[in-house]
Amino acid sequence: DAGVIQSPRHEVTEMGQEVTLRCKPISGHDYLFWYRQTMMRGLELLIYFNNNVPIDDSGMPEDRFSAKMPNASFSTLKIQPSEPRDSAVYFCASSFQTGAWIEQFFGPGTRLTVL
Amino acid sequence: QKEVEQNSGPLSVPEGAIASLNCTYSDRGSQSFFWYRQYSGKSPELIMFIYSNGDKEDGRFTAQLNKASQYVSLLIRDSQPSDSATYLCAVDTGGFKTIFGAGTRLFVKA
Repeated sequence: DAGVIQSPRHEVTEMGQEVTLRCKPISGHDYLFWYRQTMMRGLELLIYFNNNVPIDDSGMPEDRFSAKMPNASFSTLKIQPSEPRDSAVYFCASSFQTGAWIEQFFGPGTRLTVL
Repeated sequence: QKEVEQNSGPLSVPEGAIASLNCTYSDRGSQSFFWYRQYSGKSPELIMFIYSNGDKEDGRFTAQLNKASQYVSLLIRDSQPSDSATYLCAVDTGGFKTIFGAGTRLFVKA
């Protein structure tokens, strides 16, 4: 398997522009997580899905952020409008529940810079 | 606000020594605990998982859990320069919602 795939790997945009980050989870995984990582705040959970349904979006910073999972093989995280404070590395992770715990497999991340 | 606290480091140990990394968490209801390793510029990868009080060993790694004290630790024996990375403590707070600590940077000097 190719692992979790994220695109783009790097994104540079100007303040006010719309940004869309994409994620393809590992085939057969039923959980998908979006995280944001910065030096100041560490790795923060933004939202996660189970079987394409959002379970907890309490980490989404504000209405400018939205996430969708239209099918089991694709998810997007959209920021509109983007702001410089959104600059971070955004990770997508997927998991498959086999018991009382799950191992999350992380994608390579998207490094977002908002100027 | 459920929290996971770690000393940011850096923790510096000589090659061959034992590295000890610590983590505390606030949610008493948490059941599963993880240690992820993250090399600079890379994504986190799981190295240890523990859910019962006591010790769990896997090769050079030992995870220790004390639920009464809300404390998790990771010991790395015979530390190698290749162990130099940031170690993230993570806690499943329910429904597989995972909260990560800020991470401890470890440097192993050759």
